[in-house]
Amino acid sequence: KQEVTQIPAALSVPEGENLVLNCSFTDSAIYNLQWFRQDPGKGLTSLLLIQSSQREQTSGRLNASLDKSSGRSTLYIAASQPGDSATYLCAVSEPKGGGQNFVFGPGTRLSVLP
Amino acid sequence: NAGVTQTPKFRILKIGQSMTLQCAQDMNHNYMYWYRQDPGMGLKLIYYSVGAGITDKGEVPNGYNVSRSTTEDFPLRLELAAPSQTSVYFCASSYSDSYDSPLHFGNGTRLTVT
Repeated sequence: KQEVTQIPAALSVPEGENLVLNCSFTDSAIYNLQWFRQDPGKGLTSLLLIQSSQREQTSGRLNASLDKSSGRSTLYIAASQPGDSATYLCAVSEPKGGGQNFVFGPGTRLSVLP
Repeated sequence: NAGVTQTPKFRILKIGQSMTLQCAQDMNHNYMYWYRQDPGMGLKLIYYSVGAGITDKGEVPNGYNVSRSTTEDFPLRLELAAPSQTSVYFCASSYSDSYDSPLHFGNGTRLTVT
């Protein structure tokens, strides 16, 4: 059974710092890995999707890497801003029946202090 | 550009009552999902659908039912509500099961059963 973990559970950094969030998964038979952002009381917003054949994806100040063989992904946030404060979740997509199943990690709660 | 729309946003039920959580998407997505999110536990898949008329159980289906009569709508029915069903419920959709198809989420329904 696929399991996804995230380290750390919470992180507090001063504005301007670069930071790394970690995601680990147990089964490498995945379609893709996604990083999401969740603001309090809101749904999840997809930030980056890395296909299983890719190594990394970049969007603005965000860079996500994927090492499928070791079951790891990292989300790198450059020059953090208070607006980056949110919970970040990773999810892996794996085959299920006629579609796909997304298995989520518990999230990392990020606070960026002004 | 509505995306995935969930109603209601909040609901309080008494034990034994029933209700339907509504979910609609306007992106012509084939795949739709219902998740529940409990504090510190990540998201758990309740039911999913790969197209109109086709539904299947996820990880935690007990106490719930779904239907998919149209591509746009995917309601979740709670029968005989129990305190264990207190949670935040998210509906999501994706275009396909391909390697580059991200998940799109609604803003959730916060349900309390007392």
